Amino acid sequence: DTGVSQNPRHKITKRGQNVTFRCDPISEHNRLYWYRQTLGQGPEFLTYFQNEAQLEKSRLLSDRFSAERPKGSFSTLEIQRTEQGDSAMYLCASSDPGLNSPLHFGNGTRLTVT
Amino acid sequence: DQQVKQNSPSLSVQEGRISILNCDYTNSMFDYFLWYKKYPAEGPTFLISISSIKDKNEDGRFTVFLNKSAKHLSLHIVPSQPGDSAVYFCAGVYNNNDMRFGAGTRLTVKP
Repeated sequence: DTGVSQNPRHKITKRGQNVTFRCDPISEHNRLYWYRQTLGQGPEFLTYFQNEAQLEKSRLLSDRFSAERPKGSFSTLEIQRTEQGDSAMYLCASSDPGLNSPLHFGNGTRLTVT
Repeated sequence: DQQVKQNSPSLSVQEGRISILNCDYTNSMFDYFLWYKKYPAEGPTFLISISSIKDKNEDGRFTVFLNKSAKHLSLHIVPSQPGDSAVYFCAGVYNNNDMRFGAGTRLTVKP
């Protein structure tokens, strides 16, 4: 089963450190999304790629956050100078280009900033 | 701004009975709605969807109803099974890719 893969599953870091997460989407999907989920909330949209182009960024994505998808395949999400408020589950999803195609989510990376 | 609201954080039903999960939205630009199911330590998985031009979509034990005038949709699961116990998220989509989620409802189906 070649679903969406995210690494690492868990990351604990100290405040002020930089972290990077990786997402490998389903291979034939050209759309890739990053979401963040905190306890008791639904996933919140962060950013979206179509192939290698980053087409949309949420205002939630401060300048400490940067996402890339250099070859239109895997993507990375980097958080610089982490803060305790960054602690959350970071979810990656991919979809094919069809109209209203459902998102296929990975199992997420849980970030804890101490 | 919370464009999709799931006002019941939890729901408990007996096995074999009907589960009804509700969702309200404020964004009239949504043209497609989806329900996702999430087990602990896993990402959400797609369950069922409905276009805004329809008022009902059925897939096995799962039926989604849409009332556009009330900006309300619901997910019916009948009969409910213990394996249906999970968190259910409602989501609205506009512009073909902008998806907004509700906060989720935790369903517990008791044997």
